Amino acid sequence: DAKTTQPPSMDCAEGRAANLPCNHSTISGNEYVYWYRQIHSQGPQYIIHGLKNNETNEMASLIITEDRKSSTLILPHATLRDTAVYYCIVTPSGSARQLTFGSGTQLTVLP
Amino acid sequence: GAVVSQHPSRVICKSGTSVKIECRSLDFQATTMFWYRQFPKQSLMLMATSNEGSKATYEQGVEKDKFLINHASLTLSTLTVTSAHPEDSSFYICSAREGRGNTEAFFGQGTRLTVV
Repeated sequence: DAKTTQPPSMDCAEGRAANLPCNHSTISGNEYVYWYRQIHSQGPQYIIHGLKNNETNEMASLIITEDRKSSTLILPHATLRDTAVYYCIVTPSGSARQLTFGSGTQLTVLP
Repeated sequence: GAVVSQHPSRVICKSGTSVKIECRSLDFQATTMFWYRQFPKQSLMLMATSNEGSKATYEQGVEKDKFLINHASLTLSTLTVTSAHPEDSSFYICSAREGRGNTEAFFGQGTRLTVV
């Protein structure tokens, strides 16, 4: 799996958009970008994934650059409950592979 | 999304005893489940891949005789920590993927194991 690089921590004001970057410069053509988050002492929660097009769901938006070497997860209106560690994971498609977690970004939403 | 249920959520056991953790996919069939371990302030580390009806595949450095995995049905995998020691105290998390396509993995809520 391609390696990902994320900032170790970020702060965001409640109600503002949280933009979490991820660098995956060695991504290959068949690899998807997945985002998960882990609230303290809970299992990871799936957020969103994409291949090359931007994606949006009820939780977040995923913006993938045209060269696919980086992406940004956007939480449009962050709340205190969005405080968590956010993991960006790159993994090939078409197989039931395990996910490899890096160190992630600790997002703290401030009141 | 799909639900993965893990039980128990917390367990305290005495050193030398064994503990079983269950992982169930409640509304889908999971031919493959994964077991992770997470120490404080660290990321999740894959321990083993559990395949229904066959032997589990363990990651390097994980003792298969200590961490027994059974995946007897398409909705249940169990992890048994045998002869537990204080250094086995950790947060154990399972996950499952539905089918073999590029679907997202769903995670259980985790089990906090404390060995005293």
